[in-house]
Amino acid sequence: GAGVSQSPRYKVAKRGQDVALRCDPISGHVSLFWYQQALGQGPEFLTYFQNEAQLDKSGLPSDRFFAERPEGSVSTLKIQRTQQEDSAVYLCASSLLGRQGARLFLYNEQFFGPGTRLTVL
Amino acid sequence: GESVGLHLPTLSVQEGDNSIINCAYSNSASDYFIWYKQESGKGPQFIIDIRSNMDKRQGQRVTVLLNKTVKHLSLQIAATQPGDSAVYFCAAPLVGQGNLIFGKGTKLSVKP
Repeated sequence: GAGVSQSPRYKVAKRGQDVALRCDPISGHVSLFWYQQALGQGPEFLTYFQNEAQLDKSGLPSDRFFAERPEGSVSTLKIQRTQQEDSAVYLCASSLLGRQGARLFLYNEQFFGPGTRLTVL
Repeated sequence: GESVGLHLPTLSVQEGDNSIINCAYSNSASDYFIWYKQESGKGPQFIIDIRSNMDKRQGQRVTVLLNKTVKHLSLQIAATQPGDSAVYFCAAPLVGQGNLIFGKGTKLSVKP
């Protein structure tokens, strides 16, 4: 079946430009995560959606980063006034389950997309 | 804060040999761990997971061992093949949340 898809796969932006990165999760998945992966590092959490609600944005590095998932499926990560330090691979992941009370279901595999490689010149 | 980390950034093995990739974690309350494989230009791919009520779990050619006493886990790959060449990450959900904490990764290179 179809996995998580992301577009564009590659994006080159000039410093100061706004960019929008798209994630199409697996159909029916409640949870959606965005991660940022710098070169040679592991992915780092940015933000989490349960359906259309953004329940955690503690990982967003600055107020230039904004994410939305208005209809609880497709999500967009927007970066305003891009800086060189924003250059990274942006990964989206989705999982079937959401929260039970205050905690996410732990044993809940996250399926990752291929990522968008953003290069800011 | 919580951390999950790998011991070696690179590992080179001969094709057919067994590979062992190690990982340490900081939070003794962590109770679920996952190993991911990431090939160049792709997102992380789930390999195997283990819950803290287990010491060992086996998959196809892979075994994960968990030592809660020393907060250490390892991934063993039997009869390593060229297709196993990738970066391997251990990860654990942030306790009380669900987002994953990843280590830096070990790059496995398989020599023919």
